[in-house]
Amino acid sequence: DTEVTQTPKHLVMGMTNKKSLKCEQHMGHRAMYWYKQKAKKPPELMFVYSYEKLSINESVPSRFSPECPNSSLLNLHLHALQPEDSALYLCASSQVTGGNLLSSLYNEQFFGPGTRLTVL
Amino acid sequence: ILNVEQSPQSLHVQEGDSTNFTCSFPSSNFYALHWYRWETAKSPEALFVMTLNGDEKKKGRISATLNTKEGYSYLYIKGSQPEDSATYLCAFSRSARQLTFGSGTQLTVLP
Repeated sequence: DTEVTQTPKHLVMGMTNKKSLKCEQHMGHRAMYWYKQKAKKPPELMFVYSYEKLSINESVPSRFSPECPNSSLLNLHLHALQPEDSALYLCASSQVTGGNLLSSLYNEQFFGPGTRLTVL
Repeated sequence: ILNVEQSPQSLHVQEGDSTNFTCSFPSSNFYALHWYRWETAKSPEALFVMTLNGDEKKKGRISATLNTKEGYSYLYIKGSQPEDSATYLCAFSRSARQLTFGSGTQLTVLP
């Protein structure tokens, strides 16, 4: 199975709602990523998890809360979002070679199809 | 802030034409350069990961070259087909962990 799946495909939420985006892979990858892409812009890295631990947070506002409950799953919990948070949210995964966080080498990233989020 | 530029932004070619586009990136502290192909409503698909200056990689009719000293990579498509229509993204990294993407080149191949 070489697929990264994301649910839901589309999500519309109000500014007071709490929702979650889900990402799953069964390739044995131990690095997982969240990206945000606005229209006509490049994907921007939000978070990186390595061995289920958060290793990179690109100064993302706390209304976005990632969670990696196990090596196959990555969630992004959303609360009190703003309309400008409307975007495509992409999940990716990759192998981690090297065996530890400091020396690990990340190989090519496999992407899911994304969740299209609209905040009203 | 890392600047990764892709040109052209969009491109229309006739079926059978060969085409190429450019990705330019900072030439210092280079780690790797990735190319992705992204069809509408699908997942971005990895084409190449390039790490060495002078690298040339090929997958079917698609090939890519890398010049890390001057900070550019070319992607070539030989004999374009309608199914090649997609956005082609490059991504630069200074470490194994973080990719900085360009805005992509949107290719349309007309039958």
